[in-house]
This record gives sequence, C-alpha cells and structure tokens, in this order.
Amino acid sequence: DQQVKQNSPSLSVQEGRISILNCDYTNSMFDYFLWYKKYPAEGPTFLISISSIKDKNEDGRFTVFLNKSAKHLSLHIVPSQPGDSAVYFCAASGFSRGSTLGRLYFGRGTQLTVWP
Amino acid sequence: ETGVTQTPRHLVMGMTNKKSLKCEQHLGHNAMYWYKQSAKKPLELMFVYNFKEQTENNSVPSRFSPECPNSSHLFLHLHTLQPEDSALYLCASSYRQGGTGGELFFGEGSRLTVL
Repeated sequence: DQQVKQNSPSLSVQEGRISILNCDYTNSMFDYFLWYKKYPAEGPTFLISISSIKDKNEDGRFTVFLNKSAKHLSLHIVPSQPGDSAVYFCAASGFSRGSTLGRLYFGRGTQLTVWP
Repeated sequence: ETGVTQTPRHLVMGMTNKKSLKCEQHLGHNAMYWYKQSAKKPLELMFVYNFKEQTENNSVPSRFSPECPNSSHLFLHLHTLQPEDSALYLCASSYRQGGTGGELFFGEGSRLTVL
C-alpha cells in the first residue's frame, strides 16, 4: 500500500521554464516531507524539506508547497536548468520516533528532463 | 564525497556465494539504513539501526543479514541470494530516526548482480 504517491513518472520542461513536480500522501499522521534528487548510478541526495507547520519553504530555485487539507505537496523549480534533469523522489515521515512513522516513506519518483 | 561511503560499488555473485556490503558514515549520525532499489519500484526500506540497535526489519528474507557494530558502520551480509535480488542497495544515515533531523544522507549504492 503506497502511502506516498507520485503519479507522473516523467516530466519534460524547456530550460528557463518552471518545473512542477507533484506528490500526494494518504497518511494524515505524516508531518515532515522531503524531496530527494537522484542522478543515474548515484544515491539520492537531499534537496529540500518542509514540516507541517509551514505551507511553503524556499531554497534558491527550489520551493516546496504543502497543502495539508489536500494531502498534497509540490516542488517548483524555477528557472529549470538542464542540470536539473534527474529523478525526483518525494518522501514523508512522522515525528513518532520508535514507531513506523519515524521512517521515511518514498514515492516511486518522477523523471524530470530539462531540454535546451 | 557524500559522507556516506559504500563498498563495493559493483558486485557480481553466484547464488551459492557469500558476500558482504559495507557502509561507513562520517557524519556523526545515529541512525543507519539499508534500502533496496529495483527497476521501476519505489525505494524499499530493508533495515533500520538506531544507536546500533535494530529498530526495523521490513520483512526482509533471512538470506540478507545486517550487522551494525557501531553507529558509523553498517554491513549487509548476503548468502544464497536469488537472481531477483539483483538491485541497487543503498545505505543511508540520519542524525535521528524520523522528523526534523531525520533527513537521510545516502551513499552512492552497491549495484548487485546475482547470476
């Protein structure tokens, strides 16, 4: 049972435009959300996170938006660059250490391709 | 240098072999993890260690045996694997398990091929 879903397996965007990657979750106990980026033959790298007390977190070209009522988050990349081409994973966890919510639940990932 | 180092990067083994994957983190983290990534599947959590104690075994077959001698080192011992176990095995660490500070830092992975 997938508790974190990324329904778009791929996204193609022109350089300079905005990339919007979407993620939905089902468990209302999740209160911490993360995005990871993965290049081929490398491990995922942490990109940006947001806790449930916020609805927006921005770091340079990357902004994550959280809509708790819709159980939806999105990652905006603007402007998109060819080097952003990678697989982006959404992940979620809860604050309950020692419970299974303390682990990260990952989505299947979205392959972003930014073309010149 | 990611702070989490995995060796070997590539491993080919027969079904009767015994091999081990090694992970080392230099980040002062307290939690370490093994994940499996197969083609077209989400990252699958296998094991979690928090302060050297195993806190989660995600119904992993016994042919995978983890070992965590200290908070900086994690091993995955492999024995009588099946071809379907071929995958990218990722080690990760975090300062704490879950919530703020639970951001995972991944190694580059060990690509395992079982013949």
